[in-house]
Amino acid sequence: RKEVEQDPGPFNVPEGATVAFNCTYSNSASQSFFWYRQDCRKEPKLLMSVYSSGNEDGRFTAQLNRASQYISLLIRDSKLSDSATYLCVVSPHSGGSNYKLTFGKGTLLTVNP
Amino acid sequence: DTAVSQTPKYLVTQMGNDKSIKCEQNLGHDTMYWYKQDSKKFLKIMFSYNNKELIINETVPNRFSPKSPDKAHLNLHINSLELGDSAVYFCASSQATASGRSSYEQYFGPGTRLTVT
Repeated sequence: RKEVEQDPGPFNVPEGATVAFNCTYSNSASQSFFWYRQDCRKEPKLLMSVYSSGNEDGRFTAQLNRASQYISLLIRDSKLSDSATYLCVVSPHSGGSNYKLTFGKGTLLTVNP
Repeated sequence: DTAVSQTPKYLVTQMGNDKSIKCEQNLGHDTMYWYKQDSKKFLKIMFSYNNKELIINETVPNRFSPKSPDKAHLNLHINSLELGDSAVYFCASSQATASGRSSYEQYFGPGTRLTVT
């Protein structure tokens, strides 16, 4: 089983749609969880951290279920600029400078006009 | 000002050659990383340095040798290049906070697209 698995996608949605991405992780000792975004032929950038209580940042909502080892990202009212690959990222560490991130393969989202 | 920069951006070379990729960050971070993203877009960590000390060394062939002359620079030297080394190599950096906990955010450079022919 891969350490971090995501919906393979791709997702093609119209502008204004709501889209949800799922991710599962295999290491039950994982402590920190994130969603990164990677535009085509660009570097990954942090979109948001994921907290146990769930968290929201504008149109983006992230959820974490530790019992099921499951992470989700919900995007409401999709914009053309949301088109990108969304990477689920997990770390076994809760801190410290030797900070290893494990990335999922990513899910490609295309928002169409 | 570019926060994390890499040179070169593109590198095309033949099998068997030796090449280097350079990375510099001007964020004042103390931890730097090298990642490899293959043709299937899978991003995997290779090495990590904290204050010039190697702290993460994943299962990477000995042909890959990182070097950190100071905490703002992390270079990657690759000997005897093989076809399978073709990928995008990303450098990244992060900062431990005053309490010793690392910032959750890693800042990535623009990547070096290596093609081995």
